[in-house]
Amino acid sequence: GQSLEQPSEVTAVEGAIVQMNCTYQTSGFYGLSWYQQHDGGAPTFLSYNALDGLEETGRFSSFLSRSDSYGYLLLQELQMKDSASYFCAVGTDSSYKLIFGSGTRLLVRP
Amino acid sequence: DAMVIQNPRYQVTQFGKPVTLSCSQTLNHNVMYWYQQKSSQAPKLLFHYYDKDFNNEADTPDNFQSRRPNTSFCFLDIRSPGLGDAAMYLCATSRDGTAGPGDEQFFGPGTRLTVL
Repeated sequence: GQSLEQPSEVTAVEGAIVQMNCTYQTSGFYGLSWYQQHDGGAPTFLSYNALDGLEETGRFSSFLSRSDSYGYLLLQELQMKDSASYFCAVGTDSSYKLIFGSGTRLLVRP
Repeated sequence: DAMVIQNPRYQVTQFGKPVTLSCSQTLNHNVMYWYQQKSSQAPKLLFHYYDKDFNNEADTPDNFQSRRPNTSFCFLDIRSPGLGDAAMYLCATSRDGTAGPGDEQFFGPGTRLTVL
């Protein structure tokens, strides 16, 4: 089967750095995406990695190791508004669809 | 602003009474998706269209149907809703579906379905 594993919850303090991991087992791999979803809201795209290494966009960075089937999302200078669920998702083939992980719920405390 | 619009935002239906959820997009994207999301779970893909080509997920119940009459609109029909179909239904689009840079999925705000 195809699966993505994410820790269910992470708590961190405002201003700190947090890393949220994602490991995947899929039959194919086209890239790893990250989406943010606030309670009651729609998922919004954060980042995408197709190749090994780190991609940085402002306070957000995403890392991928294809050999380890592993990636993470790094959030720096945490703000209260970062409290949300974060989903990793894998594109497994050319059929235009993503498989989503179960998500990590991030709680940022003052 | 270009966007993905879903109507209604909240829908209440009765057990077994057909219901239709709608999605429209102004992004002119080729691919449209319907996801079901239950509380604290990942979005679960029900089906997607590349242009007019329909792709059903193997585990999507026959109770769920979809129509895409044109590029801009897509509908989700639930023929006989059961209590287990209560969920948030998310519509999403992507330009070409490759999920690569510049081709992420854009989600609508969702329709929360309640089944009484």
